[in-house]
Amino acid sequence: NAGVMQNPRHLVRRRGQEARLRCSPMKGHSHVYWYRQLPEEGLKFMVYLQKENIIDESGMPKERFSAEFPKEGPSILRIQQVVRGDSAAYFCASSPRLARGTDTQYFGPGTRLTVL
Amino acid sequence: GQQVMQIPQYQHVQEGEDFTTYCNSSTTLSNIQWYKQRPGGHPVFLIQLVKSGEVKKQKRLTFQFGEAKKNSSLHITATQTTDVGTYFCAGKKEEIYNQGGKLIFGQGTELSVKP
Repeated sequence: NAGVMQNPRHLVRRRGQEARLRCSPMKGHSHVYWYRQLPEEGLKFMVYLQKENIIDESGMPKERFSAEFPKEGPSILRIQQVVRGDSAAYFCASSPRLARGTDTQYFGPGTRLTVL
Repeated sequence: GQQVMQIPQYQHVQEGEDFTTYCNSSTTLSNIQWYKQRPGGHPVFLIQLVKSGEVKKQKRLTFQFGEAKKNSSLHITATQTTDVGTYFCAGKKEEIYNQGGKLIFGQGTELSVKP
C-alpha cells in the first residue's frame, strides 16, 4: 500500500510564475490536508478537503492560493504569481474516514518550493 | 483561535540522558497526536492519545495526555542518536458533524543527541 505521494519533490519558480503542487492520498483515504512549513518553524494548516469539497480553508491566504480535490486525480495546491515569501515546504496529509476522534493523518514527503 | 504551545524549542542532551517535551493547548482537545520529523524529512506519525489521563508507551517513549485534555508530554528514556529530530505535538480541533478536522501543530522541539 503506497503512502501519500507528492510531486514534484522540489520546485523552483521565478517571482510571478505559477506553482502547482500535487498530492495523491493513500489508497482508501478520502480526506486531504495541506500544511506549509517555513524553515525552522512548525507546520501551519492551510486547507482541508474531501472529494470535490473544501471543508475548511481557514488557513489559506486570501489571494493567489487555491486548492482542489477533484473526483478523479490528485489534490492540487495552486499558487499564482509566486513571491519569495512563498518559499517553504508544503506537506500534504491524508486520513481515512473513521469514527469520531480516532483518525490519524499520514504525511507525504513534501514539495520544497523555492522562489527566485 | 486555538493555539498549541510546545516547549522547549531546542534540547541538547548527551546520549543516554532522558528527554521530555511538553505541549499545552489553550482549549480542550478531542485528541492529541505526536509526530517526529527528521532533518529534511516529513512528519511521521508516532501516536495518538484520545482519553483523559491516557498514558501510552512505545519502547523508550512514554506519551501522556492530561486529565483536562489540554496538555500532553513525550518522554524519551536513555536517548540514542537515532532519536535526533524535531518532535511535534498536534491537537485535534473538535470535529464538526463527524467529518474529521485539521491539526493544530505546536512549534516543535528539536532534539540533538551528542554521542
